[in-house]
Amino acid sequence: ETGVTQSPTHLIKTRGQQVTLRCSSQSGHNTVSWYQQALGQGPQFIFQYYREEENGRGNFPPRFSGLQFPNYSSELNVNALELDDSALYLCASSKTGTVNEKLFFGSGTQLSVL
Amino acid sequence: RKEVEQDPGPFNVPEGATVAFNCTYSNSASQSFFWYRQDCRKEPKLLMSVYSSGNEDGRFTAQLNRASQYISLLIRDSKLSDSATYLCVVNIGGSARQLTFGSGTQLTVLP
Repeated sequence: ETGVTQSPTHLIKTRGQQVTLRCSSQSGHNTVSWYQQALGQGPQFIFQYYREEENGRGNFPPRFSGLQFPNYSSELNVNALELDDSALYLCASSKTGTVNEKLFFGSGTQLSVL
Repeated sequence: RKEVEQDPGPFNVPEGATVAFNCTYSNSASQSFFWYRQDCRKEPKLLMSVYSSGNEDGRFTAQLNRASQYISLLIRDSKLSDSATYLCVVNIGGSARQLTFGSGTQLTVLP
């Protein structure tokens, strides 16, 4: 158990809809990163939040957006869902500034877009 | 070319065997390196960091060759519980903790 919790665990949406995924970081962690993992691929970095601001972004379109709250929890929002958005969405928390900073992943949200 | 490349496998080995996984990365600015383990559609878990001097953790040995931009993982005396997908991961550094993952190598240890 990493202490990183994600909700929901599974979700089914249709193309064009919007979705919000949630993540609670491990106690003491101040940074949250989001990754997308398509079937048969490794996780791909979407973006990271630190001090409630986006602090780095991967190669994802603007319809992928996020928030971080004062308690360091985070949301990932995806608008105008496409079939290719079907994937496992992983949230990872860490404590920026620690030596040998490590990421701890939640168990993910499996999103299916029909 | 992918930033991190791995042989996808699958590797099917008998219990007790020694198995080696290789990985190459394209960005010479990469600063830190890891092996993660992922069980079927669960979250990746850090197996070990990889250092230039090489490092060992029990039955697992990791090596890094910066000149060749090559990372390896050796598993000795394979156990059934080692069956998983092994992900090679690099971090190019900077302000964001942005990890770049390979696609993973699938290992099945057979009884």
